[in-house]
Amino acid sequence: AQSVSQHNHHVILSEAASLELGCNYSYGGTVNLFWYVQYPGQHLQLLLKYFSGDPLVKGIKGFEAEFIKSKFSFNLRKPSVQWSDTAEYFCAVNALNNNDMRFGAGTRLTVKP
Amino acid sequence: NAGVTQTPKFRILKIGQSMTLQCTQDMNHNYMYWYRQDPGMGLKLIYYSVGAGITDKGEVPNGYNVSRSTTEDFPLRLELAAPSQTSVYFCASSYDRKLFFGSGTQLSVL
Repeated sequence: AQSVSQHNHHVILSEAASLELGCNYSYGGTVNLFWYVQYPGQHLQLLLKYFSGDPLVKGIKGFEAEFIKSKFSFNLRKPSVQWSDTAEYFCAVNALNNNDMRFGAGTRLTVKP
Repeated sequence: NAGVTQTPKFRILKIGQSMTLQCTQDMNHNYMYWYRQDPGMGLKLIYYSVGAGITDKGEVPNGYNVSRSTTEDFPLRLELAAPSQTSVYFCASSYDRKLFFGSGTQLSVL
């Protein structure tokens, strides 16, 4: 089965700084890739997804992610973070030949005003 | 639409007790999932279902059981609660491989 690694456990940034959160997966076949966000006290929400086509995908709130197949990576980026981006971010992978969705351990982002 | 509804929101169990976490969705999604979320560990898949009458184990199924008698409902059963099952449990349904989560159940086993 597929697995997901998020190497940054906690990232602290000041407002307006740029963000990049790493996500690597291990699976040899075709995958769908996702980033979910969990704001404090809320449940997870979909931020963006990649199924096929342009490897650079744009999501809500100015976030984007790039799928690099050769590196098995799907890193999340945002040019300028805001205090309201403080949340936990989860990368997830779904292999096309099975029905389960695997999540990474999550990265907690703290944005200082 | 209510989306995915989980009950209860909070529960404290004694070791050895049993309970059922309820999950229902009104979006007519075939796929449903149960995850547990532990600090620093992310979400671990417990069980999932691709439709009524069909369930499959995920990464961490031991100590849990599920059933899927209808499209709407996907209850999770803990038969003999253990402290290791203290966690936050999330139910989700899926459409086009996008997950829609419930608000979670915070369970403590003491």
